[in-house]
Amino acid sequence: EDKVVQSPLSLVVHEGDTVTLNCSYEVTNFRSLLWYKQEKKAPTFLFMLTSSGIEKKSGRLSSILDKKELFSILNITATQTGDSAVYLCGLSGSRLTFGEGTQLTVNP
Amino acid sequence: GAVVSQHPSRVICKSGTSVKIECRSLDFQATTMFWYRQFPKQSLMLMATSNEGSKATYEQGVEKDKFLINHASLTLSTLTVTSAHPEDSSFYICSASQGTGGVLHYGYTFGSGTRLTVV
Repeated sequence: EDKVVQSPLSLVVHEGDTVTLNCSYEVTNFRSLLWYKQEKKAPTFLFMLTSSGIEKKSGRLSSILDKKELFSILNITATQTGDSAVYLCGLSGSRLTFGEGTQLTVNP
Repeated sequence: GAVVSQHPSRVICKSGTSVKIECRSLDFQATTMFWYRQFPKQSLMLMATSNEGSKATYEQGVEKDKFLINHASLTLSTLTVTSAHPEDSSFYICSASQGTGGVLHYGYTFGSGTRLTVV
C-alpha cells in the first residue's frame, strides 16, 4: 500500500525564518510527487516532481526529490505571514495518496 | 491553466435527504476524477476514483451505495450523498487529471470544495 509521511506535523516560526518541510514515501509504482498549499479551501498546486535531484523553484519556495532515499523536501525562505497554511505532499503511484500535512504558522 | 469548477461551494441539508455535488473540468477533458473528503485539521482522504464511462472505484470503508459517483462525460463528474446524516458533514473536494487509467503524468487540479452540513 502506498504511504506518505510528512514531518513535522506542525511548525511555528517568525517572519524571515527559513523552513524545511519533509515528505517520505513508500510506493509500488512511482509516477510523481506533488506539493500543495492549502489555506481555507481547496489545495493549490505548488510543484510536481518526477526526477531525482532536480530542484524546482518558484520565488521563495523550492523543492527537490530523492528517489533513492524516497523523500522530498519543500523549502521556504524568508517566510511571510501569508505562508501560513497546511502544506500537503501527495504521491501519484497506483493512486493519489496524501500525507497528513504540515501546519505552518508564520508569526509577525 | 487547467480549471476545475465545483458546485455548490456550501450546502446545508436535512437528515435523510440527498445532496448532489458537481465537478466540471472547464478547459480540458478529465479522463479521471477523484473525490476526497476532509475533516477539520486532517488531510485529504480519497473516497473514490472515477474514470469516464466506467464504474467508480471506491476506497475501503467508503459505502458505494451512500456516495454515488457518476462520470458520464469527460468534463463532468457528480457525487451524490444519499440519505445524508450529520456524520456526513464534511468538506468534499474533487480533483481531475488529464491522464488516462493509471498514467497520471499531468498532475491534478482541484475544485474549490463543497462544505456540506447535515442538520
